[in-house]
Amino acid sequence: AQSVTQLDSHVSVSEGTPVLLRCNYSSSYSPSLFWYVQHPNKGLQLLLKYTSAATLVKGINGFEAEFKKSETSFHLTKPSAHMSDAAEYFCVVSDQPGGTSYGKLTFGQGTILTVHP
Amino acid sequence: GAVVSQHPSWVICKSGTSVKIECRSLDFQATTMFWYRQFPKQSLMLMATSNEGSKATYEQGVEKDKFLINHASLTLSTLTVTSAHPEDSSFYICSARGGLAGRDEQYFGPGTRLTVT
Repeated sequence: AQSVTQLDSHVSVSEGTPVLLRCNYSSSYSPSLFWYVQHPNKGLQLLLKYTSAATLVKGINGFEAEFKKSETSFHLTKPSAHMSDAAEYFCVVSDQPGGTSYGKLTFGQGTILTVHP
Repeated sequence: GAVVSQHPSWVICKSGTSVKIECRSLDFQATTMFWYRQFPKQSLMLMATSNEGSKATYEQGVEKDKFLINHASLTLSTLTVTSAHPEDSSFYICSARGGLAGRDEQYFGPGTRLTVT
């Protein structure tokens, strides 16, 4: 069985400061991991995915995540927050290897990111 | 590209009535569509997986006779909530597997807010 745990339900940062959204996973095999963002009234958008090719994954809008097998973590970071980053973020694990997202997806509980001016 | 739409975006119905939600892939063909449910302050939970032209596969605990899924074409899947009750009030999100330019990913619709009174 696979699962993900997002350690913070809410994160609040000031514009221009770093962002850290934490995620721990559990999987019985080499996982495919993703971060999705959900803006109000918009569909979930893929930010980045881990495909086992590289442990540091770069995504859209300046986000990146580092896969750490020893810590079973896949934390999402961004050096400098922008007001438009305010949204809900989901860490997701797939039952399919190789970074494809078409398998059965298991979502974390979500982290709401608030960005203050 | 790879846009998924849902209709309606929100619906209010009376207890005991049925509601149909449509999920369309607008610019690609989707061999597989997924239906998720998201309760307030909770994560997305996969309800069922549907393949075009065949019966849907439901997750454990999801009543197939209550949540009827039809995937009659490569661009349309419907979810019908039969004899809806207040506890069925939720945010329903579909996703479609497919994509453009050889990509094979899961793309999400914007969701449908169902309120049963």
